[in-house]
Amino acid sequence: NAGVTQTPKFQVLKTGQSMTLQCAQDMNHEYMSWYRQDPGMGLRLIHYSVGAGITDQGEVPNGYNVSRSTTEDFPLRLLSAAPSQTSVYFCASRKLDHPDTQYFGPGTRLTVL
Amino acid sequence: AQSVAQPEDQVNVAEGNPLTVKCTYSVSGNPYLFWYVQYPNRGLQFLLKYITGDNLVKGSYGFEAEFNKSQTSFHLKKPSALVSDSALYFCAVREPSGTYKYIFGTGTRLKVLA
Repeated sequence: NAGVTQTPKFQVLKTGQSMTLQCAQDMNHEYMSWYRQDPGMGLRLIHYSVGAGITDQGEVPNGYNVSRSTTEDFPLRLLSAAPSQTSVYFCASRKLDHPDTQYFGPGTRLTVL
Repeated sequence: AQSVAQPEDQVNVAEGNPLTVKCTYSVSGNPYLFWYVQYPNRGLQFLLKYITGDNLVKGSYGFEAEFNKSQTSFHLKKPSALVSDSALYFCAVREPSGTYKYIFGTGTRLKVLA
């Protein structure tokens, strides 16, 4: 198993550009989520999904879109990047009925100039 | 609302000494508490959890945590620190129902000095 994979590892954008952060897992996990990590603020939940075709907002969803067309993939889209979105982004996944065991990807470090 | 607090941004300890990383929580109902570790340029890794049972929970890499209901604390401990323990540590609480969302603390950077 590759576990949870994220691409790219690093990205620099200019304000107003769009991009998609990719997340994939090969463990057949129903639940997938995106977090952003900022200094002094820990991890904050952006969006999550409990299965293909189902997504919902987390704590800080503004400026981000998600979709879940397959169980394996959960991309995060920035439609018009802003400097406030400079952060490290983590994807995580778990089985829906095993809430105590979740797996994190290695992260994407995004800088918006 | 569920929340956790990590009062220390950084903890320094000498190699071989015991270490403690503090966490306090605020929940309604029974707490579901976790510790995760993040090494540089890596994702978070699960260390240990408290769901129910013994107040002293043992986890990976020789870490343990003590659940204290009266003080609403869940401090992470290790009897003898290693330089390789240097990392960022996160305390977390998860919701007891629904989609079991996690709420993370702000993190504590542990630096073990040789």
